[in-house]
Amino acid sequence: AQTVTQSQPEMSVQEAETVTLSCTYDTSESNYYLFWYKQPPSRQMILVIRQEAYKQQNATENRFSVNFQKAAKSFSLKISDSQLGDTAMYFCAANYGGSQGNLIFGKGTKLSVKP
Amino acid sequence: EPEVTQTPSHQVTQMGQEVILRCVPISNHLYFYWYRQILGQKVEFLVSFYNNEISEKSEIFDDQFSVERPDGSNFTLKIRSTKLEDSAMYFCASMLEGPYEQYFGPGTRLTVT
Repeated sequence: AQTVTQSQPEMSVQEAETVTLSCTYDTSESNYYLFWYKQPPSRQMILVIRQEAYKQQNATENRFSVNFQKAAKSFSLKISDSQLGDTAMYFCAANYGGSQGNLIFGKGTKLSVKP
Repeated sequence: EPEVTQTPSHQVTQMGQEVILRCVPISNHLYFYWYRQILGQKVEFLVSFYNNEISEKSEIFDDQFSVERPDGSNFTLKIRSTKLEDSAMYFCASMLEGPYEQYFGPGTRLTVT
């Protein structure tokens, strides 16, 4: 079965520190796309970062970066210099289905950034 | 910046009633999706729509559900006879072309009483 697993239901971090959220996935596809979405209390899903499986280089967007380990099927999100506005649910998601593929989501990690 | 919009933001309905949830995807996007999120649970795929037809649907998307793109801008999800378990947040998403990122709307909270 094609799955996405987030094993950390909740995490907290002090403002300005770094935190890493874990995600593992399982697929037999050779090409796929991985995403991290943020869902703040407003509940709107906001794309944080994406990674194409065929790219070896880890994606980076400002304070957000990923550690993509294809052999281990691991896709963690690192948030540097955490800010209060980073407080949200973070969902790891995968598109295994090619151009029209739907997203499969993990259960999410609730991140709290403390002042 | 273009965004996906959804109306209404909150819909309360009685069990057995029909509801229509509306979405306006980003104008030049070609792929459209509905997802739902039951409170406290993960986001689940319902259906994808491309070239004026359903391209994929999940087992959740049974005969009670239907989707339409009645004109060039709107994308609707209809639930024919709502059940208590249909209470959830429903998200519409659109994508320019595959397999880039999907942009989500703010969601419609559906409460079935």
